[in-house]
Amino acid sequence: AQSVSQHNHHVILSEAASLELGCNYSYGGTVNLFWYVQYPGQHLQLLLKYFSGDPLVKGIKGFEAEFIKSKFSFNLRKPSVQWSDTAEYFCAVNARGRDDKIIFGKGTRLHILP
Amino acid sequence: NAGVTQTPKFQVLKTGQSMTLQCAQDMNHNSMYWYRQDPGMGLRLIYYSASEGTTDKGEVPNGYNVSRLNKREFSLRLESAAPSQTSVYFCASRSSGGFNEQFFGPGTRLTVL
Repeated sequence: AQSVSQHNHHVILSEAASLELGCNYSYGGTVNLFWYVQYPGQHLQLLLKYFSGDPLVKGIKGFEAEFIKSKFSFNLRKPSVQWSDTAEYFCAVNARGRDDKIIFGKGTRLHILP
Repeated sequence: NAGVTQTPKFQVLKTGQSMTLQCAQDMNHNSMYWYRQDPGMGLRLIYYSASEGTTDKGEVPNGYNVSRLNKREFSLRLESAAPSQTSVYFCASRSSGGFNEQFFGPGTRLTVL
């Protein structure tokens, strides 16, 4: 069964700092990968997704993620964070062609200092 | 276009009581999901339904039952609530096709005393 591991549980950064959040998945086959964001008091929204093609994926609000198949990783990046990026970030995986399950990681809580 | 709606928004139960959480989507999606969110645990999949008439267990199905009433509606039932089921419950839906993203409802905050 597929699973997702997010390495950083809580990250604190100052505004304008660069961000990288780690995500590793375990599944031997082809996957679809997602990053979602949950702002305080809100439900989850999609940031970006990868299913094929260019392994560098650009999403909303200046976020991007790189799929590295050999490392089973899909790390999220942003060159310069803003206070409004304070939120919880979730990585998720779907085992393509196997079933319709989407499994989430435990999330990373990001706090940006103004 | 309301997206994914959930009722109720808040609920307090006593141990042993039963209740049903309702979820509906108006996007004509085939797949629907129920997750629970707990601090430090992320979202854990309870059950999902890939199409009308089918349901499958997720990561934490014990203590729950589901019904895919029709294409629009997917309900989650707690037959005998326990304090360990205190959580925020999210329903989600998406179109068929692994690359399609999920759309989430606003959540139901459930407390079991």
